[in-house]
Amino acid sequence: DGGITQSPKYLFRKEGQNVTLSCEQNLNHDAMYWYRQDPGQGLRLIYYSQIVNDFQKGDIAEGYSVSREKKESFPLTVTSAQKNPTAFYLCASSVDRVNTEAFFGQGTRLTVV
Amino acid sequence: SQQGEEDPQALSIQEGENATMNCSYKTSINNLQWYRQNSGRGLVHLILIRSNEREKHSGRLRVTLDTSKKSSSLLITASRAADTASYFCATGPTGRRALTFGSGTRLQVQP
Repeated sequence: DGGITQSPKYLFRKEGQNVTLSCEQNLNHDAMYWYRQDPGQGLRLIYYSQIVNDFQKGDIAEGYSVSREKKESFPLTVTSAQKNPTAFYLCASSVDRVNTEAFFGQGTRLTVV
Repeated sequence: SQQGEEDPQALSIQEGENATMNCSYKTSINNLQWYRQNSGRGLVHLILIRSNEREKHSGRLRVTLDTSKKSSSLLITASRAADTASYFCATGPTGRRALTFGSGTRLQVQP
């Protein structure tokens, strides 16, 4: 089945720790995105990538880092510099920029303990 | 920054009634899309309307777009309890490389 897979579904982070969220797609999409969603809120763009080895900051990139070494994979690292990381993180992909629909993973819920 | 803003923030209706949600945006767009999100899940694409289109239908969904007013509406006809979810509009602004989402409308359909 074609789709986009995020793991883990739930993640707990201790203060000062870096954690990495996985996002894999087998849709052969060029573009991939990371969004953050806080309770009862909309989605805010963290990072996006149009092609391998290229990515751009979104609206709230501070405290986050990404890599795009393979077309299928776009992992997000939440660093210790992100002071309020508890949120629901959503990864998405699309064929190209903004003119086609985005396909979303099922999300990772990150909690600081 | 939020490009789209949905109205109302929450909507509760009875099964069989129609549900209308509105979206306003600020800058010029290539297209406008509507997505649905069940609680704690990812988003699912519903419909895309291009900036040169005024109305589009898909099953029980009807979307309108008024670029002069920078607004769109999503109508769900003959609603069902299974339509209970949050609905988001997303815009593909010109010159921007990623969809920008609004804050969403939480729809509750009472059986």
